[in-house]
Amino acid sequence: DVKVTQSSRYLVKRTGEKVFLECVQDMDHENMFWYRQDPGLGLRLIYFSYDVKMKEKGDIPEGYSVSREKKERFSLILESASTNQTSMYLCASRKGYGYTFGSGTRLTVV
Amino acid sequence: KNEVEQSPQNLTAQEGEFITINCSYSVGISALHWLQQHPGGGIVSLFMLSSGKKKHGRLIATINIQEKHSSLHITASHPRDSAVYICAAPTGNQFYFGTGTSLTVIP
Repeated sequence: DVKVTQSSRYLVKRTGEKVFLECVQDMDHENMFWYRQDPGLGLRLIYFSYDVKMKEKGDIPEGYSVSREKKERFSLILESASTNQTSMYLCASRKGYGYTFGSGTRLTVV
Repeated sequence: KNEVEQSPQNLTAQEGEFITINCSYSVGISALHWLQQHPGGGIVSLFMLSSGKKKHGRLIATINIQEKHSSLHITASHPRDSAVYICAAPTGNQFYFGTGTSLTVIP
């Protein structure tokens, strides 16, 4: 089975901090995604990546950037964390129609 | 307008009840996913289906591609089924997600 690992389950950061959320997949998938999940809004796509060093903006990229230096790792970066970025962040990996999600990182910005 | 609509948003059931969650979508797809998320947990894929019906234990998923509608049924519901259920429609390189159905099964 494909495994998608997110480095932290819970994270508390201060406003203005630079925050890195890491995601690693072990099945050589080209496509990787970062979503945030908020009550009543469901899952919203922040960024996705087709391949190494490739990235595309999703629906809500403002305040975020990403890095894909190696195929297995897709990092989400909050350049200057703000309280409205408090959310559950989910990474996913995809091949064809098969999708695998990580277990999520619940980020609180105080 | 959401490309994927789910109903109901919230559902409370007594243990043992038969449960149905509905999903309608407006985008053209070849397959639809049903996902499950337990409180505080990550998301797991329950089903990916492109036609007809699939069964896994007490869970049954059906899809009608022509009507752009899918249902997830849970037979003999149990408190451990309490979770958020999300339908997701892949199209191109994107996934469209429903906002989820929060299910609580009371013992």
